[in-house]
Amino acid sequence: DADVTQTPRNRITKTGKRIMLECSQTKGHDRMYWYRQDPGLGLRLIYYSFDVKDINKGEISDGYSVSRQAQAKFSLSLESAIPNQTALYFCATSKGQGGGYTFGSGTRLTVV
Amino acid sequence: AQKITQTQPGMFVQEKEAVTLDCTYDTSDPSYGLFWYKQPSSGEMIFLIYQGSYDQQNATEGRYSLNFQKARKSANLVISASQLGDSAMYFCAMREVRGSGNTPLVFGKGTRLSVIA
Repeated sequence: DADVTQTPRNRITKTGKRIMLECSQTKGHDRMYWYRQDPGLGLRLIYYSFDVKDINKGEISDGYSVSRQAQAKFSLSLESAIPNQTALYFCATSKGQGGGYTFGSGTRLTVV
Repeated sequence: AQKITQTQPGMFVQEKEAVTLDCTYDTSDPSYGLFWYKQPSSGEMIFLIYQGSYDQQNATEGRYSLNFQKARKSANLVISASQLGDSAMYFCAMREVRGSGNTPLVFGKGTRLSVIA
């Protein structure tokens, strides 16, 4: 099994629908992150969490919300999806001090 | 605020040749870390190499080396003996080291490398 698992892998949804992207990890890392990738823009930070009781907005949090249900689980919600939220979404984890990121395989979301 | 600049949207290199992918960064913190990631067409993010701001020597990992010029705030990735499998997007990223822990990674916009046979 993958260290960081994202579900679903692919999703097509309609404008205005609520959608949740889920991330779970077996790394035992405290820190979890959600990024989105758009062509030509690289990866941009949406939200991050340093532990279960800590949630922080990233560069582009508008239109998104998150929930850290447990150390191992961090979900991203789009309350009312819009077409410009069509992107590749990555979840990642890291240790509290030092160490690199472990990325999930990504969720490709299309909003029509 | 942290900032990463990758000025080459796309690069071509002949197989077996070396190639340099540029990355400049901006930070006012003295302690930071620099990363390079590879993203093949399958989409996953693959860690390549790391350089800490206080590291005395340039990082190397197999065919990858990081040309770290601190005064110029540049952290270029050098790939030696390019292979067809090196064709991918490459991202430079940085985080700052704080007493409370590292800041999240900030990524550049990426460089798409194409290796030609």
